[in-house]
Amino acid sequence: DTGVSQDPRHKITKRGQNVTFRCDPISEHNRLYWYRQTLGQGPEFLTYFQNEAQLEKSRLLSDRFSAERPKGSFSTLEIQRTEQGDSAMYLCASSFSRRGYTFGSGTRLTVV
Amino acid sequence: GIQVEQSPPDLILQEGANSTLRCNFSDSVNNLQWFHQNPWGQLINLFYIPSGTKQNGRLSATTVATERYSLLYISSSQTTDSGVYFCAVRNTGFQKLVFGTGTRLLVSP
Repeated sequence: DTGVSQDPRHKITKRGQNVTFRCDPISEHNRLYWYRQTLGQGPEFLTYFQNEAQLEKSRLLSDRFSAERPKGSFSTLEIQRTEQGDSAMYLCASSFSRRGYTFGSGTRLTVV
Repeated sequence: GIQVEQSPPDLILQEGANSTLRCNFSDSVNNLQWFHQNPWGQLINLFYIPSGTKQNGRLSATTVATERYSLLYISSSQTTDSGVYFCAVRNTGFQKLVFGTGTRLLVSP
């Protein structure tokens, strides 16, 4: 068990560019979550997958954001046409059934 | 949606002191978790505790679901306990965890 892995750790991009982040959950965990955290705030929910099905999405997830979890394994989060307001830490977590979450180290996005 | 309030917002302790952090929530929940976010940003799950009491070393937690609050106790604090402590809850019928605003703890030597 190597925990939840996220890649890249840091990403600096120019406004208007597209970015994609990857999350590899703990292998036996069937649930995967994406959260976003800005400075001084608690994490905010973005979306949830059970296996490969995306079952819940936050209203925070505008149509510039898309997430996938093909085959119920790793997940990707893509942001199109990035804006400065997208600058944040993007966190992935996984869990088995309704137990405690394990978070990854996050991807820090800076849009310049 | 459900509201989660944590108190105190900031706490400064000397090494060796004990503390109690509180989490109040506005609706019934089927999932409550306490997390520690270290100074490098890593969120560590401390407890999954929708009800009852659990202990893990110097940390313990109690959730009284009927009264909509949870407490996290830290005994004999150490400098490595510094960071932000978050309470997060989930309503029945939803999948998302809603996080509180956190308690920022600084333990000085």
